[in-house]
Formats: sequence, structure tokens, C-alpha cells
Amino acid sequence: SYELTQPPSLSVSPGQTTSITCSGDKLGEKYASWYQQKPGQSPVMVIFRDTKRPSGVPERFSGSNSGNTATLTISGTQAMDEADYYCQTWDNNTFYVFGGGTKVTVL
Amino acid sequence: QMQLVESGGGLVKPGGSLRLSCATSGFTFSDYYMNWIRQAPGKGLEWVSYISHRGNTIFYADSVKGRFTISRDNAKGSLYLQMNSLRVEDTAVYYCARQKMYCRSGSCDSVWFDPWGQGTLVTVSS
Repeated sequence: SYELTQPPSLSVSPGQTTSITCSGDKLGEKYASWYQQKPGQSPVMVIFRDTKRPSGVPERFSGSNSGNTATLTISGTQAMDEADYYCQTWDNNTFYVFGGGTKVTVL
Repeated sequence: QMQLVESGGGLVKPGGSLRLSCATSGFTFSDYYMNWIRQAPGKGLEWVSYISHRGNTIFYADSVKGRFTISRDNAKGSLYLQMNSLRVEDTAVYYCARQKMYCRSGSCDSVWFDPWGQGTLVTVSS
């Protein structure tokens, strides 16, 4: 079965840039999406098709995907960005796969 | 404004059954594929089941196959999940989520979930 691997946790200072990685075999040949989940809330999609940002998501969120790694970058991280972040991919064989999630702490 | 509202969760004994519902509004429900996704306490997200817009294509995760049944009522804008033979490891918050896809010339290359409901908690315990 296909697996996506994320670091369990990251810490970042306010105003700094943080990058959350998501690794999977030839992930760059698929598309990745990213979800933000704040405590007690349901997930919210912040990036789809590797780099697309839906309306309403701040411009400081960006995505990339190449080789075996997709990356969600938060530029100028704010306290409100403290949350769990999940990557997700899909194809006809593996169907829907989520990464294990990364807890981002803004210190 | 799109809304997905789950209901039907609760406490059930191992081997028992529950039926979850997801009432939707703010979009044309019959145009979209829909999914159930769950999250065990303190754990990550796990996809559970998918149903096509007409209900004629259905898939399940191996962990629930043969025990759970997904269905939909397009006239009511509602999605359902019948859960039988429940196990302790089925304890989770269950979310319904609308599926978005990018497709060209009949072939799709990406799928994502947007929006999600607020979730309903299912607890399986004796």
C-alpha cells in the first residue's frame, strides 16, 4: 500500500518561514493536497493540485511537489497558523492516502 | 454558503450498529462525489468510503469493507453511512466531505476534499 510520511512536529517563531514535508514514492508524479486542522475543528483544505490556493486562504501558504516530496510552506508564520497539517494524494490504484500529520507550534 | 452537517454518532457496544447522516446545503449535491473520512482520538485522518454522484460506484477502505455501507439520497441532499459489526477500533470522529476532482478528456489526475463537515463522534465500548 502507498504511504505518505510527514514529520510529527515542527516549531517556528512568529514571522519566520516553515516548510512541512510529505514524502512518498514518486509523489511528484501525483498531485498533493494539504489540510489545516486546528484543535477541536474539522480539516480545512489550504492547497490543492500541489500549488493551488483556494480563495480565502492567505497568500503566505504555498505548495510545491517534485521527486518524492511535496512541501507546504508558510511564509511569515502567524500564531493563528498553529495547527495540525495533513498531506493527501490520490490515484486510481492507491485511492485516497493521507500523511500522518505534522503538528506546527508557533513559539 | 456550503454546509455539511453530520449526525447519528454516539456510544455503542462492540458488535452493535449505527447509522450516520450528513445533511448538505449550499451546493448541488447530486453533482458531486462524496466521502466519509474518520479520525481516531489523537490520531490522523483515515479515508473510509466513497460514493459517486449517482451512487453507482462505491469503494471502501479494507478496514471497513463488508461491515459499512455508504449511500446517498440526492433528492434530500444527504449522505449516509450504515455501520454494522462495530469494533473498538472504529471509535473516531466521522467526517463527511465533498470530493473535488480535476479531470480532462474523461481522465482524472487529482482529487481533494472540500469542504468537510464538523464531524460526529462514534464511540465503540463495552
